[in-house]
Amino acid sequence: GQQVMQIPQYQHVQEGEDFTTYCNSSTTLSNIQWYKQRPGGHPVFLIQLVKSGEVKKQKRLTFQFGEAKKNSSLHITATQTTDVGTYFCAGNHNQGGKLIFGQGTELSVKP
Amino acid sequence: GAGVSQSPRYKVAKRGQDVALRCDPISGHVSLFWYQQALGQGPEFLTYFQNEAQLDKSGLPSDRFFAERPEGSVSTLKIQRTQQEDSAVYLCASSLERLAGEDTQYFGPGTRLTVL
Repeated sequence: GQQVMQIPQYQHVQEGEDFTTYCNSSTTLSNIQWYKQRPGGHPVFLIQLVKSGEVKKQKRLTFQFGEAKKNSSLHITATQTTDVGTYFCAGNHNQGGKLIFGQGTELSVKP
Repeated sequence: GAGVSQSPRYKVAKRGQDVALRCDPISGHVSLFWYQQALGQGPEFLTYFQNEAQLDKSGLPSDRFFAERPEGSVSTLKIQRTQQEDSAVYLCASSLERLAGEDTQYFGPGTRLTVL
């Protein structure tokens, strides 16, 4: 079946270091979405990428969608303690609203 | 404005009991989704409604799981004869547009179900 793989599972960084999480789908996606979930919280929408090769930025966060629309990445520059949480990618395979989530990357930031 | 709300927030059930989980989507949102999130995992799709129509229930793990949205707003996820493997957080999400796959899904706080 359709799968979305996400690595790494955990990432521990010192405050100020950069962070990247990678997402790969077994099949071509119609779009990919990124969510952040704080400990004990629920997923909060960050961004959606639709076009092949698309790059979007939100302050220190940079999101990329691969040319083949099968992979994506989230890069955070100069992490802060407020960035702590689990980052999920979620792919849509053009099957209505169904999202296939990756396993998530848990980010911890040491001050 | 109010976001997606879910009740109860926590539910403890004895194995074999039936449970009903409620989701109140954002007012006016056409699409509603249920996901199951096990500890340390990403949410897994269960089912999806567009208004009152259940368009996809491919993720429901067994026939013990049943979801409805009779008036196109509030939805209920029912689990019959609960088993320990049903223990998880059940998340509800809603989105505004018909083309739900291309629109933001807003998640509720979830219901944490523990089956003893």
